[in-house]
Amino acid sequence: QKEVEQDPGPLSVPEGAIVSLNCTYSNSAFQYFMWYRQYSRKGPELLMYTYSSGNKEDGRFTAQVDKSSKYISLFIRDSQPSDSATYLCAMKHTGANSKLTFGKGITLSVRP
Amino acid sequence: SAVISQKPSRDICQRGTSLTIQCQVDSQVTMMFWYRQQPGQSLTLIATANQGSEATYESGFVIDKFPISRPNLTFSTLTVSNMSPEDSSIYLCSVAREFSGNTIYFGEGSWLTVV
Repeated sequence: QKEVEQDPGPLSVPEGAIVSLNCTYSNSAFQYFMWYRQYSRKGPELLMYTYSSGNKEDGRFTAQVDKSSKYISLFIRDSQPSDSATYLCAMKHTGANSKLTFGKGITLSVRP
Repeated sequence: SAVISQKPSRDICQRGTSLTIQCQVDSQVTMMFWYRQQPGQSLTLIATANQGSEATYESGFVIDKFPISRPNLTFSTLTVSNMSPEDSSIYLCSVAREFSGNTIYFGEGSWLTVV
């Protein structure tokens, strides 16, 4: 079993839809959870960063962490064509030296 | 966030040659990392670039193939040696700032195609 599993996609939704992106993990030592957005031919851009279980909201984006279920989600409200990108979940243990472990990424397409 | 500049942004390389990728950060950072992203795949950590000492390599990556330098707190290089078509990938520099070690930022990447 991989440490981090991400819904494989691709995912295509109409503009204005609510998008739910999900990852599960097996290692309970993961304490920090991130979502990155990667546009085609660009580097990953840090979108959301969370530590504790619960929800964190930033504009149209909400990151949700459920440590008891080892499950994280990213919700995108009122999706826009500009949200079309690959979304990667990533997580790490505590300590600056610990490495990020990434999900495989899911490609989202928002149709106008 | 951090401003991370990588050079070259893309290159086409001949089989058997080596290429050095540079990473420059706009301010001092504690941790610098090098990742590889093969076509259609997620990111894989190659190594952690340690300032003033040898890099720490992940399983499957060796110094002879991917020598790394980090002469100061804002600059690092990754060399891809004796390239083969399997080395065609995006190579990404990433950093973690002091006192924010759990927030990791990425450069735009260097897109290498080996022919």
